Amino acid sequence: AQTVTQSQPEMSVQEAETVTLSCTYDTSESNYYLFWYKQPPSRQMILVIRQEAYKQQNATENRFSVNFQKAAKSFSLKISDSQLGDTAMYFCAPVLQAGNTGKLIFGQGTTLQVKP
Amino acid sequence: EAGVAQSPRYKIIEKRQSVAFWCNPISGHATLYWYQQILGQGPKLLIQFQNNGVVDDSQLPKDRFSAERLKGVDSTLKIQPAKLEDSAVYLCASSLVSGFIGTGYGYTFGSGTRLTVV
Repeated sequence: AQTVTQSQPEMSVQEAETVTLSCTYDTSESNYYLFWYKQPPSRQMILVIRQEAYKQQNATENRFSVNFQKAAKSFSLKISDSQLGDTAMYFCAPVLQAGNTGKLIFGQGTTLQVKP
Repeated sequence: EAGVAQSPRYKIIEKRQSVAFWCNPISGHATLYWYQQILGQGPKLLIQFQNNGVVDDSQLPKDRFSAERLKGVDSTLKIQPAKLEDSAVYLCASSLVSGFIGTGYGYTFGSGTRLTVV
């Protein structure tokens, strides 16, 4: 079974500090994609960062970066210089190959609160 | 470009009633997805369309849920009859390019419809 585990249901961080959200997943495939999505109270799902599994270099996007450990099937998200607008639910979501298309699977989510 | 449009934004119905949700994906996006997100959980894929054909509906409760995508553009998801456990947010998403590599560029989501069944 293909599963995604986010072991931290809730986290909080002070504004301007750094926080890391963890994610592990289970797949037997070698080629896939990994995403982190952000969902604020507005419910809009927003793509934060994307990683291709065949690339060893960790993706970065401004204040957001990932630590991708393929052998360990781990994909953590680091948010630097946290801002109040980062308050949201964060989902780790791999895209796994399903036939000739991809299937986006979500973890349970981590609720992040950034405190002033 | 315009985003993925969904309506209605909220819906309250009594159990055993029927309800329909509408989604208009980004123009030209070949693949369309419906997800169910129960409060406090991650979204679960219900059905995936590629153009107007169904790619995956393995997690769609077919005894009460149905979906169609006419002419490969907008889509409707229907529940009949609704149960209390159907209370959730229903998210629609689309991706431009079909195929595995295309989905690797990410999906664009609508704002969802929050359904409350009482």
